[in-house]
Amino acid sequence: DIQMTQSPSTLSASVGDRVTITCRASQSISSWLAWYQQKPGKAPKLLIYDASSLESGVPSRFSGSGSGTEFTLTISSLQPDDFATYYCQQYNSFLTFGPGTKVDIK
Amino acid sequence: EVQLVESGGGLVKPGGSLRLSCAASGFTFSSYSMNWVRQAPGKGLEWVSSISSSSSYIYYADSVKGRFTISRDNAKNSLYLQMNSLRAEDTAVYYCAKEIAAAGPYYFDYWGQGTLVTVSS
Repeated sequence: DIQMTQSPSTLSASVGDRVTITCRASQSISSWLAWYQQKPGKAPKLLIYDASSLESGVPSRFSGSGSGTEFTLTISSLQPDDFATYYCQQYNSFLTFGPGTKVDIK
Repeated sequence: EVQLVESGGGLVKPGGSLRLSCAASGFTFSSYSMNWVRQAPGKGLEWVSSISSSSSYIYYADSVKGRFTISRDNAKNSLYLQMNSLRAEDTAVYYCAKEIAAAGPYYFDYWGQGTLVTVSS
């Protein structure tokens, strides 16, 4: 089974900050990676798929990069609506989520 | 507008059974693989089960294999999860999620609002 890790587990940041979250796979998953945003009490929302493709309607301040085993989600300028938990998900072999990264207010 | 509406959650005793349903609308249900994903209180997301568009391919997480059964009725635009031999660790919000293709694995472009299952005596 493919295991996913994320770092950091919690990130404290301010509005306007550039934020980067890292996701690592236990083996190569090519570019078969998605990123989701989840707010408390809500369902996850798709942000990025195929490692770097922006889902329709998602602000361009979100971007994804990477391939193989290491991936990043970057928020270029953090907005108040972006304080949430972010999950990566691999779909190279079955489906596995990362443990999540909570972005909170510094 | 795509809508996924889960129902059937509730309180059940350990060893008991529950059947979750997901009513889909706003897209051609029979053309897409569907999944169940759960989230224990205060925890992360865990994929539970997947079923392809024609039910030809069905997969389960090891944690539920042999206890849970996924199914779908394309005529009724509905997805189901039969959960037997429930354990305390099955307590979670269960989400129905739509994949982007007929057979995966792929990512999920739409999610329901979730239904809470609590396993407790």
